Amino acid sequence: DGGITQSPKYLFRKEGQNVTLSCEQNLNHDAMYWYRQDPGQGLRLIYYSQIVNDFQKGDIAEGYSVSREKKESFPLTVTSAQKNPTAFYLCASSRSGGVRETQYFGPGTRLLVL
Amino acid sequence: KNEVEQSPQNLTAQEGEFITINCSYSVGISALHWLQQHPGGGIVSLFMLSSGKKKHGRLIATINIQEKHSSLHITASHPRDSAVYICAVRIPSNTGKLIFGQGTTLQVKP
Repeated sequence: DGGITQSPKYLFRKEGQNVTLSCEQNLNHDAMYWYRQDPGQGLRLIYYSQIVNDFQKGDIAEGYSVSREKKESFPLTVTSAQKNPTAFYLCASSRSGGVRETQYFGPGTRLLVL
Repeated sequence: KNEVEQSPQNLTAQEGEFITINCSYSVGISALHWLQQHPGGGIVSLFMLSSGKKKHGRLIATINIQEKHSSLHITASHPRDSAVYICAVRIPSNTGKLIFGQGTTLQVKP
């Protein structure tokens, strides 16, 4: 089955701790995206990558970091600098970053701060 | 003011009713997407539109580029249609960036 997997489904973070959210796709897509969703707000773009070994900041990149060492993987690290990390995080991918491409979304990871 | 506005924010309907969700945007776009988010959080892409109208089963999406407005219609609604419906617009760049509306929460009662 082709698709996007995110793990874990729920993640708990202690104060001052870095945590990494996993996103893997087997769709052979070049472009991958990380979004954050807060209650009552639209999804906001954190980081995106159009090709391996390259990524760009989105609208709310502060306190987050990413890597794209492999085409199928785009992990997101929520650092201790992110003061309000509690949110629902969605990963997406598309065949390319082109304007006609549909983005396919993963099931999401809910991050909670203890 | 958000660049993408949806209305209503919340909608409750009885099974069988015809439902309309609206999306207005204030930026130039290359395409508009309608997405469905289930209670578990997963998102499914329903439509991608750049003009006119598309239909898939009981779902119909229309877009008026001049008026910067799109609507999503559900005919003969069913409780399984209960979900959050999200409008997202793609800005004309090579990044594939989407700007999302805040979503419309639909509950269809039996």
